[in-house]
Amino acid sequence: RKEVEQDPGPFNVPEGATVAFNCTYSNSASQSFFWYRQDCRKEPKLLMSVYSSGNEDGRFTAQLNRASQYISLLIRDSKLSDSATYLCVVMGGGSYIPTFGRGTSLIVHP
Amino acid sequence: GAVVSQHPSRVICKSGTSVKIECRSLDFQATTMFWYRQFPKQSLMLMATSNEGSKATYEQGVEKDKFLINHASLTLSTLTVTSAHPEDSSFYICSARDVVTYEQYFGPGTRLTVT
Repeated sequence: RKEVEQDPGPFNVPEGATVAFNCTYSNSASQSFFWYRQDCRKEPKLLMSVYSSGNEDGRFTAQLNRASQYISLLIRDSKLSDSATYLCVVMGGGSYIPTFGRGTSLIVHP
Repeated sequence: GAVVSQHPSRVICKSGTSVKIECRSLDFQATTMFWYRQFPKQSLMLMATSNEGSKATYEQGVEKDKFLINHASLTLSTLTVTSAHPEDSSFYICSARDVVTYEQYFGPGTRLTVT
């Protein structure tokens, strides 16, 4: 089983839709979780950290489920500009080396 | 957010030559930086972890003598691709980790093409 797994997609949604991605991790001792966004041929950019209590930033909501070992990202009212690959990153559990998922591709169409 | 610069952004070199890539954290200190490689439509692959003042830790399968890493200060790490070959052509990205939040900030990447 891979350490961090994501559905590669693509998720193809119309503007205004709500879309959610999950990311599962195998190391139960993991401590830090993040969502990054990567546009084609660009570097990843931090979207948001994921806290135990969950966090929200505008249209984006991230949640952590430790019992089931997954994190989620919810995007409400999708915009065309949200089209990108969303990477989840897990860190900790004895190592502070970040582990990336393969990313989930999102395509928002008019 | 924090800023990480990377230089050069794009380089074309001939097979057999060496290329040095710099990664700088501009407004924070980073005791740890990471070097990644990304091939088209694939995920980021961690190559090595660079620790200030000590030797880098390389991932399995990454040749330390081919990919030389130097982390001489809290704001600068360099990756030198020695005796480059066409198969080394890739997108090389560095990241610096904030010592307080553990959030990583990525440089803009260097696209290396070896002819």
